[in-house]
Amino acid sequence: KAGVTQTPRYLIKTRGQQVTLSCSPISGHRSVSWYQQTPGQGLQFLFEYFSETQRNKGNFPGRFSGRQFSNSRSEMNVSTLELGDSALYLCASSWEYNSPLHFGNGTRLTVT
Amino acid sequence: DAKTTQPPSMDCAEGRAANLPCNHSTISGNEYVYWYRQIHSQGPQYIIHGLKNNETNEMASLIITEDRKSSTLILPHATLRDTAVYYCIVRGGSSNTGKLIFGQGTTLQVKP
Repeated sequence: KAGVTQTPRYLIKTRGQQVTLSCSPISGHRSVSWYQQTPGQGLQFLFEYFSETQRNKGNFPGRFSGRQFSNSRSEMNVSTLELGDSALYLCASSWEYNSPLHFGNGTRLTVT
Repeated sequence: DAKTTQPPSMDCAEGRAANLPCNHSTISGNEYVYWYRQIHSQGPQYIIHGLKNNETNEMASLIITEDRKSSTLILPHATLRDTAVYYCIVRGGSSNTGKLIFGQGTTLQVKP
């Protein structure tokens, strides 16, 4: 079974631009979550989607948004990029409550 | 969500058992203990989880105390490839399927 796939692997953007990251969950998984990892703040939860609906949201500004499609694939978007948005963005999928989350290897975003 | 406390770092000799402790004194009755690890530049990898009984899989064993206020992850024969940051996470609530609260974890260094 293929794991969680995130594209692109690396991305370089300029302040003020916007970016869209993509995540393909493990086949059959309906929950997709996004996390941001930085050296200073560690791993922080962004939001979770389940059956195309946002089920949970972390404490991030509205510039961070996401969506999930009917095939469970998900995208997250960051608008008006700031230098502090430079991070590893991780996507995770799971089948149902209390089944383990499985993470992709992330998208490394650098904002210059 | 209950908070967890882990030592920031530990060393282990290759071939010996690595015992990683975790305190979760405020855990609720329906919350599970999960362990993940993260090797540099990769996404977190699921290791094991449990509610109150001890659990074992091909990667590790999880020992949860009777009062559920602490647990220990055991890697029976550590190898150099087990060098990673290990996260102990308490997870619960059907509405929080995709939301994990990561602490700083324990950096395990396996030495030859």
